[in-house]
Amino acid sequence: DADVTQTPRNRITKTGKRIMLECSQTKGHDRMYWYRQDPGLGLRLIYYSFDVKDINKGEISDGYSVSRQAQAKFSLSLESAIPNQTALYFCATSGPTDTQYFGPGTRLTVL
Amino acid sequence: QKEVEQDPGPLSVPEGAIVSLNCTYSNSAFQYFMWYRQYSRKGPELLMYTYSSGNKEDGRFTAQVDKSSKYISLFIRDSQPSDSATYLCAMRDGGATNKLIFGTGTLLAVQP
Repeated sequence: DADVTQTPRNRITKTGKRIMLECSQTKGHDRMYWYRQDPGLGLRLIYYSFDVKDINKGEISDGYSVSRQAQAKFSLSLESAIPNQTALYFCATSGPTDTQYFGPGTRLTVL
Repeated sequence: QKEVEQDPGPLSVPEGAIVSLNCTYSNSAFQYFMWYRQYSRKGPELLMYTYSSGNKEDGRFTAQVDKSSKYISLFIRDSQPSDSATYLCAMRDGGATNKLIFGTGTLLAVQP
């Protein structure tokens, strides 16, 4: 089984809809991250969490919110989706060192 | 100016060629440098990790860091079609936040 799982893997939705992307990990890591990937822009950090009670904004947090439900679960929400949030979304986890382990990604399309 | 610059490619080479992938950066505080490999429709996976300046070798892969020039490289010897992927450089400073700054990635195609 994969160490970092993301659901759904693909999602098509309409402008204005609320969307939640979920991430679970079995690596026992405290640190979890949400990124989005866009062509020509690379991976950009949306939010990160160093433990259940710690949530921090990344470089592009506007329009997104997160919830750390447990050490192993970190979800990303788009309260009112807009077309420029169409992207590939990745969850990642790490221990205290730099090695971040990525999930398989969620391809989100907002029409 | 972006903190990390990486040529997006695509880079196409014949099987067996030596591949050189590069990133430049502007933040002199960066101390930890990584290369991730991302296959199509997959998440990035860590390939190489180096601290400060110098070289690190792992099989067919060599990572080089030149902090004086703010330049890092990944060399792939005897390239194989299975090396075809997007290669992302990433780096961070020595702080406790562990926040990585990624390059945009270089798409590599190794032709059989």
